[in-house]
Amino acid sequence: TQLLEQSPQFLSIQEGENLTVYCNSSSVFSSLQWYRQEPGEGPVLLVTVVTGGEVKKLKRLTFQFGDARKDSSLHITAAQTGDTGLYLCARLPNTGFQKLVFGTGTRLLVSP
Amino acid sequence: KAGVTQTPRYLIKTRGQQVTLSCSPISGHRSVSWYQQTPGQGLQFLFEYFSETQRNKGNFPGRFSGRQFSNSRSEMNVSTLELGDSALYLCASSPMGGGNTEAFFGQGTRLTVV
Repeated sequence: TQLLEQSPQFLSIQEGENLTVYCNSSSVFSSLQWYRQEPGEGPVLLVTVVTGGEVKKLKRLTFQFGDARKDSSLHITAAQTGDTGLYLCARLPNTGFQKLVFGTGTRLLVSP
Repeated sequence: KAGVTQTPRYLIKTRGQQVTLSCSPISGHRSVSWYQQTPGQGLQFLFEYFSETQRNKGNFPGRFSGRQFSNSRSEMNVSTLELGDSALYLCASSPMGGGNTEAFFGQGTRLTVV
């Protein structure tokens, strides 16, 4: 059962455009991570957000954690072809175990 | 520092056979988790091992099993393969596991069941 819904599922844009990807849940997150997965590779961690309302920036990527900690967004400014990939949000466990619950994913294609 | 290594990268098996996949974590990492990735179900947690003990298990049938060795290397086994087991199997390692720690993923093993 998928507990995290991401939207949109697919996004095809031109280089230089801006975009936002959303991650939503019906339950509260303790903390959340965003990963990017390129074809033929495993996911790579981009950021961890912990506090409601938190905003983190990673170069052209801006991550926001909702005030109620039930949603998050990833905004990319001036997308580049290197941003192409599968973007995944993941809920971290409250316990000491390493068990990520992943979102449904957003596949991004940035064309030159 | 070497990353997480999974072998083999690609595998083709026949229905009913069994398969063993291997994962070597980053040196010093004691937690190894396994995930299955399919187009329909996305990325789903299989199980996690820490210090040779299974700490957590996902919602998969008993045909899926794993183990961890004293050097933290881990294997997962799938018996009586079904067509639906075709997937990318990913292994992730982390120093201790748990919340807010980063999981480092390998490149995965692409299993095709025919």
